[in-house]
Amino acid sequence: EAQVTQNPRYLITVTGKKLTVTCSQNMNHEYMSWYRQDPGLGLRQIYYSMNVEVTDKGDVPEGYKVSRKEKRNFPLILESPSPNQTSLYFCASKARGARLTQYFGPGTRLLVL
Amino acid sequence: QKEVEQDPGPLSVPEGAIVSLNCTYSNSAFQYFMWYRQYSRKGPELLMYTYSSGNKEDGRFTAQVDKSSKYISLFIRDSQPSDSATYLCAINTGNQFYFGTGTSLTVIP
Repeated sequence: EAQVTQNPRYLITVTGKKLTVTCSQNMNHEYMSWYRQDPGLGLRQIYYSMNVEVTDKGDVPEGYKVSRKEKRNFPLILESPSPNQTSLYFCASKARGARLTQYFGPGTRLLVL
Repeated sequence: QKEVEQDPGPLSVPEGAIVSLNCTYSNSAFQYFMWYRQYSRKGPELLMYTYSSGNKEDGRFTAQVDKSSKYISLFIRDSQPSDSATYLCAINTGNQFYFGTGTSLTVIP
């Protein structure tokens, strides 16, 4: 089954404790992206990657890092999480030739205390 | 100014009603417009997209873009309880995507 998977699905952590949220897709997509979704603010793009070793900032990159060492994986790293990073996070991917059709993962709900 | 603005609702309609969901966008240069549907506790899924101006129809759904007023609309005919979800409009520019805040829709049987 074609899909985007994220782990963990739920995470509670404390301020300053580094964490990584993994994202993997099995569709051989070149483009991958991370979003956060907050009430009243909607879905906002954090980082995106056009291909392996190519990453770029989205709208709200502060406090986040990403890497793209393999085509299928695009982890999101919070090196020193803060409470304002409490949010619902989505990973998405799309094929290079499909300009608009992104496939989203199921989401990771993060609470930073 | 945000790239795209959306009325958050919530919107509650009886089954069979025609639903109109709307967004405005800021930059007249935008050409790629999308509507996503998001069920509770799920990721968004692409419902429809349009390029430039005009209408696009897919079954009970019609997406409309009015470039003169920078307005995007999604119409749902004969709404069903299974249409109950949050609908997000979105814009693509280059490699980035900008989303509205979403409108929560409930269709009452």
